[in-house]
Amino acid sequence: AQSVTQLDSQVPVFEEAPVELRCNYSSSVSVYLFWYVQYPNQGLQLLLKYLSGSTLVESINGFEAEFNKSQTSFHLRKPSVHISDTAEYFCAVSILTGGGNKLTFGTGTQLKVEL
Amino acid sequence: NAGVTQTPKFQVLKTGQSMTLQCAQDMNHEYMSWYRQDPGMGLRLIHYSVGAGITDQGEVPNGYNVSRSTTEDFPLRLLSAAPSQTSVYFCASSLTVLGTEAFFGQGTRLTVV
Repeated sequence: AQSVTQLDSQVPVFEEAPVELRCNYSSSVSVYLFWYVQYPNQGLQLLLKYLSGSTLVESINGFEAEFNKSQTSFHLRKPSVHISDTAEYFCAVSILTGGGNKLTFGTGTQLKVEL
Repeated sequence: NAGVTQTPKFQVLKTGQSMTLQCAQDMNHEYMSWYRQDPGMGLRLIHYSVGAGITDQGEVPNGYNVSRSTTEDFPLRLLSAAPSQTSVYFCASSLTVLGTEAFFGQGTRLTVV
């Protein structure tokens, strides 16, 4: 069975400071990894994804995540956050399981950027 | 291009009532799914479909039914609403589930009293 763990439910940070949102997954086979962002009262939007190749993936708004197979992690980082980055961030994993396909989400991390 | 459209956006039900949450996508996606979002629990998969005529259960299917008669539509039916089904419901679609972007609707906020 696959699972996703986001250890931090809330992360407060000052504007222009760096931030890391942690994500660990458990799976016995290869996985595809995603980060989604949810702004207040909206649905989720894809931020970035890792399928294969380079272990460092980037988004258009300055976020990056690194796939670490040995540590089964896919942490999200940004070197300098902005007020507009305040949102909830979800890590997700997809894997073809016996008899079906599923996308499993973590419990989410609320990022609050303060002035 | 509308993407994924969910209706209604808000709904209040009495315990025991039934209702259908509508979901439609116009991207010709094969894969569609329903999630519920509860504080501290993230998104939990209720049901999913890999194509018209094919549905399967997710993590929390009890109390919900789905059908997929067309590629575009994937309604979620609550058979007999209970307070435990108070939640925000999201419909999502993707070209496939593996490695492709999931597009989400705006959500339906359901309260069961």
